[in-house]
Amino acid sequence: DIVLTQSPATLSLSPGERATLSCRASQSVGSQLAWYQHKPGQAPRLLIYDASDRATGIPARFSGSGSGTDFSLTISSLEPEDFALYYCQQRSKWPPTFGGGTKVEIK
Amino acid sequence: QVQLVESGGGVVQRGGSLRLACAASGFTFNSYGMHWVRQAPGKGLEWVTFINYHGDQKYYTDSVKGRFTLSRDNSKNTLYLQMNSLRADDTAVYYCAKDVSVGNARDYFDYWGQGTLVTVSS
Repeated sequence: DIVLTQSPATLSLSPGERATLSCRASQSVGSQLAWYQHKPGQAPRLLIYDASDRATGIPARFSGSGSGTDFSLTISSLEPEDFALYYCQQRSKWPPTFGGGTKVEIK
Repeated sequence: QVQLVESGGGVVQRGGSLRLACAASGFTFNSYGMHWVRQAPGKGLEWVTFINYHGDQKYYTDSVKGRFTLSRDNSKNTLYLQMNSLRADDTAVYYCAKDVSVGNARDYFDYWGQGTLVTVSS
């Protein structure tokens, strides 16, 4: 299975700051990578798919980049509602796999 | 709006069985593949199983093959996960999730339910 490694595990930032989350794959996944936001007790939310395409209704402050094995999710200016867990997920090779997550917390 | 509502979770003894259900609304259920994804306590997300829109193609993660069976009733807009021979490491919140793509699946999940907790006790 393809292993996705997310870093850092925790990101402590203030509202208005820029957040950059990293996801590294154990082998190339092309551009077949998604990002999800997950808050405790809520359903996960798809943010980005195919590495850089925003899902329906996702604000423009969320952007994704990368290809091959190295990917990034950037939140240009953190809003209070953005503090959450973020997961990357690949669908290049079966089975789909997720990274371990990055927690974005309020500094 | 799209809604996915899971039910059927609970506490079960090791070796026991549970049947989860996921009631779907707000989209054309019989046009989309559906997945189950789980999250064990303190752990990340793990894809578990997929069924195509027609119900004739199913895939499972290795750890549940032969124990879990996925099915769907398109007339009732409902997805089912029959879980047998449950083990302690099956303890998790189970989410049903809709595939992003009409017809052939793309294995991205654009809508998720709130999840249902399955606890396997020894």
